[in-house]
Amino acid sequence: DTEVTQTPKHLVMGMTNKKSLKCEQHMGHRAMYWYKQKAKKPPELMFVYSYEKLSINESVPSRFSPECPNSSLLNLHLHALQPEDSALYLCASSQLGVAGGQNIQYFGAGTRLSVL
Amino acid sequence: AQSVTQLGSHVSVSEGALVLLRCNYSSSVPPYLFWYVQYPNQGLQLLLKYTSAATLVKGINGFEAEFKKSETSFHLTKPSAHMSDAAEYFCAVSPQGAAGNKLTFGGGTRVLVKP
Repeated sequence: DTEVTQTPKHLVMGMTNKKSLKCEQHMGHRAMYWYKQKAKKPPELMFVYSYEKLSINESVPSRFSPECPNSSLLNLHLHALQPEDSALYLCASSQLGVAGGQNIQYFGAGTRLSVL
Repeated sequence: AQSVTQLGSHVSVSEGALVLLRCNYSSSVPPYLFWYVQYPNQGLQLLLKYTSAATLVKGINGFEAEFKKSETSFHLTKPSAHMSDAAEYFCAVSPQGAAGNKLTFGGGTRVLVKP
């Protein structure tokens, strides 16, 4: 099973709302990632969790707050977003190791977020 | 910092014709290289990866790519295009020796397949 499950598939929220995106994998991967993808653009890395600890934050605004409650689950909490934050948010997971750069990242189908 | 450049944001091919998608990387040390495909309203799926074991890499769906260090290239090919190959294709690079996997994507190439 190489499935990464993201919920919800679609989300519409106002600029004052608080919402959360959820990502789950059961492949035993110890690295999990959040990416943001604008239309007709490549994915851009936001956060990386390694062994449930935040290892990379690509200078993401604090209105995005990641959380990794356990090795299978990754959340992205959203608060006071702006319309320009509307995008496809992708979650991915991979193994970790000494030669970590060659580990395949498995992607979920994404959550399409619209901020009104 | 590593980067990857995909030449051509759009490629149009006839069904049955050769598909050639170009990717060049910028790195002093050959990195790990990947090709991903994204179908509409879906996530990314790995087509193939280069990890220095062999310069010609075969992937899924009949795709293959050849690593050429002298040209710093990792072009993706498929001998005969099928309608189902219409999608967005991303070349990506990851550094060697990293404990994690920080992928950097190229700008993407959208493939249109004409009947």
